[in-house]
Amino acid sequence: EAQVTQNPRYLITVTGKKLTVTCSQNMNHEYMSWYRQDPGLGLRQIYYSMNVEVTDKGDVPEGYKVSRKEKRNFPLILESPSPNQTSLYFCASGFSRGDEQFFGPGTRLTVL
Amino acid sequence: QKEVEQNSGPLSVPEGAIASLNCTYSDRGSQSFFWYRQYSGKSPELIMFIYSNGDKEDGRFTAQLNKASQYVSLLIRDSQPSDSATYLCAVTGGYQKVTFGIGTKLQVIP
Repeated sequence: EAQVTQNPRYLITVTGKKLTVTCSQNMNHEYMSWYRQDPGLGLRQIYYSMNVEVTDKGDVPEGYKVSRKEKRNFPLILESPSPNQTSLYFCASGFSRGDEQFFGPGTRLTVL
Repeated sequence: QKEVEQNSGPLSVPEGAIASLNCTYSDRGSQSFFWYRQYSGKSPELIMFIYSNGDKEDGRFTAQLNKASQYVSLLIRDSQPSDSATYLCAVTGGYQKVTFGIGTKLQVIP
């Protein structure tokens, strides 16, 4: 089944404790992206990747890191999480940046 | 001015009626337009895309694009309670950047 997977689906952590949210797609997509979704603000792009080893900042990159060492994986790293990073996070992939995007199931993160 | 604007709603329509969802965008050079549906607690899923001026129909859904007026709309005919969701408008602008609106919450009343 063609899909984007994310793990974990739910995470409660404390300020400053490093965490990684994994994302993997099996559709051989070149493009992958991370979004956060907050009430009243909609989906905002954090980082995106056009291909392996090519990443770039989105609209809200502060406090996040990403890497793209393999085509199928695009982990999101929070080196020192803060409460304002409490949000619903979606990974997405597509054939190209401007094309239809396929979303993962989401990760609900709470930072205390 | 936001790049992609949608009324957050909720938009309430009776079952069987036509639901009309609207979206305006600021980048006149935008090329691709998408409508995603997002059920509460779930991820967005694509329901329609449109590239050219005019109407595009797919079952009960019709996307309408007017580039001169910079708006795109989604009509849902014979609305069903299962259509109750948030509908996200997404627009591809310069450098192929996709920008999402905040979404319009649709409630179909049985």
